[in-house]
Amino acid sequence: KAGVTQTPRYLIKTRGQQVTLSCSPISGHRSVSWYQQTPGQGLQFLFEYFSETQRNKGNFPGRFSGRQFSNSRSEMNVSTLELGDSALYLCASSLQGSHENEQYFGPGTRLTVT
Amino acid sequence: GNSVTQMEGPVTLSEEAFLTINCTYTATGYPSLFWYVQYPGEGLQLLLKATKADDKGSNKGFEATYRKETTSFHLEKGSVQVSDSAVYFCALAGYSSASKIIFGSGTRLSIRP
Repeated sequence: KAGVTQTPRYLIKTRGQQVTLSCSPISGHRSVSWYQQTPGQGLQFLFEYFSETQRNKGNFPGRFSGRQFSNSRSEMNVSTLELGDSALYLCASSLQGSHENEQYFGPGTRLTVT
Repeated sequence: GNSVTQMEGPVTLSEEAFLTINCTYTATGYPSLFWYVQYPGEGLQLLLKATKADDKGSNKGFEATYRKETTSFHLEKGSVQVSDSAVYFCALAGYSSASKIIFGSGTRLSIRP
């Protein structure tokens, strides 16, 4: 069974631009969660989607948004990029949700904002 | 709210040494507890988990016991290998779909040959 895939793997953007990251979960998994990982803040939860609905949201500004499609693939968007948005963005999928099932993580998208 | 406090790193040990990485938590109810591992350049992988008090999770020689009385979930391994060098994350998940998974700050482990 194929694992969680994230595209692109690396991205360089300029302040003020916007970016869209993509995540394809493991086949059959309905829950997709997004995390931001930085050396200073560690691993922080962004949001979780289940069956195209946002089920949970972390403490991030409205510039961070996401969506999930009917095939469970998910995208996250960051608008008006700031230098502090430079991070590794990880996506994780699970069968029914992170609260009861193991999460399987993708390799991440490394975003650099200059 | 729920929180996870993890031992500060980095931790450097010699091969075959005994490993303990401390993890304590604060939560209401009966959360599930996890240890995830992140190898260089990769995403996180579940190492082990425990879903109720006194459960012991184990995998690849690592063990952790869910201790409700001390609100702890310490990770242990009797004899570490160079290949165990990675960052280890303790995590907590509440019991409802409305709860988020909370990760500790991570502990970097380096093993010397």
